[in-house]
Amino acid sequence: DVKVTQSSRYLVKRTGEKVFLECVQDMDHENMFWYRQDPGLGLRLIYFSYDVKMKEKGDIPEGYSVSREKKERFSLILESASTNQTSMYLCASSSRTSGASTDTQYFGPGTRLTVL
Amino acid sequence: AQSVTQLDSHVSVSEGTPVLLRCNYSSSYSPSLFWYVQHPNKGLQLLLKYTSAATLVKGINGFEAEFKKSETSFHLTKPSAHMSDAAEYFCVVTFRGGNYQLIWGAGTKLIIKP
Repeated sequence: DVKVTQSSRYLVKRTGEKVFLECVQDMDHENMFWYRQDPGLGLRLIYFSYDVKMKEKGDIPEGYSVSREKKERFSLILESASTNQTSMYLCASSSRTSGASTDTQYFGPGTRLTVL
Repeated sequence: AQSVTQLDSHVSVSEGTPVLLRCNYSSSYSPSLFWYVQHPNKGLQLLLKYTSAATLVKGINGFEAEFKKSETSFHLTKPSAHMSDAAEYFCVVTFRGGNYQLIWGAGTKLIIKP
């Protein structure tokens, strides 16, 4: 069974703290994604990676960075957390085939981050 | 530019009655379309996807969707709602040959009345 795991389900941090969100997939997928989900806005792409050590900005990369040192692991970093980064963060992965944009993305359970 | 609009933020139906969740898209290219479901406190799960084969797509749990190019729609239907269908549903569009980015609708919350 395919599996994407995220390090925490709930996280509470203070303004200005550095925050690490970890995501691991066991499907040998090339592509990995970080989204944030806010009510009424759907999912918005923060960053994605299509290979180890490769990263691409999504729609809302400001205030975030990512790291992909190993194929199975994709980390999202909030360099200095702010209250407007309070959100649900979702990680996803997909395989890379010829029709890359049609590949199914598999999601983790999400991390609900609260920044006080 | 590509976009996707889910026409209803909430849909409420009685158990055993049909479900219709509406989705319209805008795409300059040949689109691929998806429906995802998110149950409370659970991750997103793919319900079904359209990638240029048959225009009527069958998914899991009795759901299906029909791609109508002339109407730029991809509405999700189910003949008979079950209590376990209560969840939030997302319509998603991308285009074939593009990068890996998906364009997400804002979501429709499906409420099932007993």
